Amino acid sequence: GENVEQHPSTLSVQEGDSAVIKCTYSDSASNYFPWYKQELGKRPQLIIDIRSNVGEKKDQRIAVTLNKTAKHFSLHITETQPEDSAVYFCAVKGSSGSARQLTFGSGTQLTVLP
Amino acid sequence: DTAVSQTPKYLVTQMGNDKSIKCEQNLGHDTMYWYKQDSKKFLKIMFSYNNKELIINETVPNRFSPKSPDKAHLNLHINSLELGDSAVYFCASSPQLDRATEAFFGQGTRLTVV
Repeated sequence: GENVEQHPSTLSVQEGDSAVIKCTYSDSASNYFPWYKQELGKRPQLIIDIRSNVGEKKDQRIAVTLNKTAKHFSLHITETQPEDSAVYFCAVKGSSGSARQLTFGSGTQLTVLP
Repeated sequence: DTAVSQTPKYLVTQMGNDKSIKCEQNLGHDTMYWYKQDSKKFLKIMFSYNNKELIINETVPNRFSPKSPDKAHLNLHINSLELGDSAVYFCASSPQLDRATEAFFGQGTRLTVV
């Protein structure tokens, strides 16, 4: 099945700095790559996603880049704010068989220091 | 208005008991999932259902039995609860199994087995 690796597991940045979280995946047929944010005690919520026919997508302070050849994608958060502190998960979804579900990375605890 | 709702939110029970968690979505989605989130925050897929039919069962002990009376509901029954079953269980739904779209999560059920 799909294997998703996420790094780093923890990340501390100063308010205003940028944060980058990286994920790699194993199945070259995967075609959907969302990022979820989970605040303490809350449900995971989608913050941005990208599909396999696109290399980069941006939404205000967050962006995602995808390198299908290398099978990795990254989340970039600029001008970080304390409210960005949360656990971030990457996920991967394929289009056939057991890959047709979201397989999650292990999560990154982001702490933005004021 | 809640898109994916689970009950109960908290569940404390003794080892050996049987318990159920209910999930309902009002989004008109075809596909529903159960995820388990352990103490290290790792989100692991347990089951995927599409139009009331089990599609994927990811090596979950047969003490866990999902039931989908219709495509808007996916309940999870757990027999003979063990200490290691303590976790947060998330229900989720997505429009269609084969489409590259996000999954929407319920608020989670924190199960504590004592």
